[in-house]
Amino acid sequence: KAGVTQTPRYLIKTRGQQVTLSCSPISGHRSVSWYQQTPGQGLQFLFEYFSETQRNKGNFPGRFSGRQFSNSRSEMNVSTLELGDSALYLCASSLSGQGNSPLHFGNGTRLTVT
Amino acid sequence: AQSVTQLDSQVPVFEEAPVELRCNYSSSVSVYLFWYVQYPNQGLQLLLKYLSGSTLVESINGFEAEFNKSQTSFHLRKPSVHISDTAEYFCAVILSGGYNKLIFGAGTRLAVHP
Repeated sequence: KAGVTQTPRYLIKTRGQQVTLSCSPISGHRSVSWYQQTPGQGLQFLFEYFSETQRNKGNFPGRFSGRQFSNSRSEMNVSTLELGDSALYLCASSLSGQGNSPLHFGNGTRLTVT
Repeated sequence: AQSVTQLDSQVPVFEEAPVELRCNYSSSVSVYLFWYVQYPNQGLQLLLKYLSGSTLVESINGFEAEFNKSQTSFHLRKPSVHISDTAEYFCAVILSGGYNKLIFGAGTRLAVHP
């Protein structure tokens, strides 16, 4: 069974631009969640989607948004990029999204904002 | 609110020596507990989880963790480490019934030396 696939693996953007990251979950998994990983703040929850509905959201500004498609694939978008948005963005999928359904992570997209 | 504290940011150890990575959590409600491992340039891999039942949980590669409710701890141990165990280890909690909003500790970098 293929794992969680994130594209692209690396991105370099300029301040003020916007970016879209993509995530394909494990086949059959309906929950997709996103995390930001930085050296200073560690791993922080961005949002979680299940059946195209956002069920949970972390403490990030509105510049961070996401969506989920009917095939469970998900995208996250960051508009008006800031230097502080440079991070590893991790996507994770699970069967149900319930706490007892463990997350499976992709290898991440490393975003560098210059 | 929930929080996770990993008491050691770095743990150096010699090959074949035992190791313990410490994790304490704070929560006023029931949580599920996890240990994830991250190798360089990769995403997170689930190492082991505590959902309920036996307080001692084991992974397939020799790690074990014990849930101690009175001390709100979930320390990770391995009796004999290998060079290949060198990685960053994250302890995480999620509310029982919560929707995949993992709260992570800051991580412990395990460095195994020959």
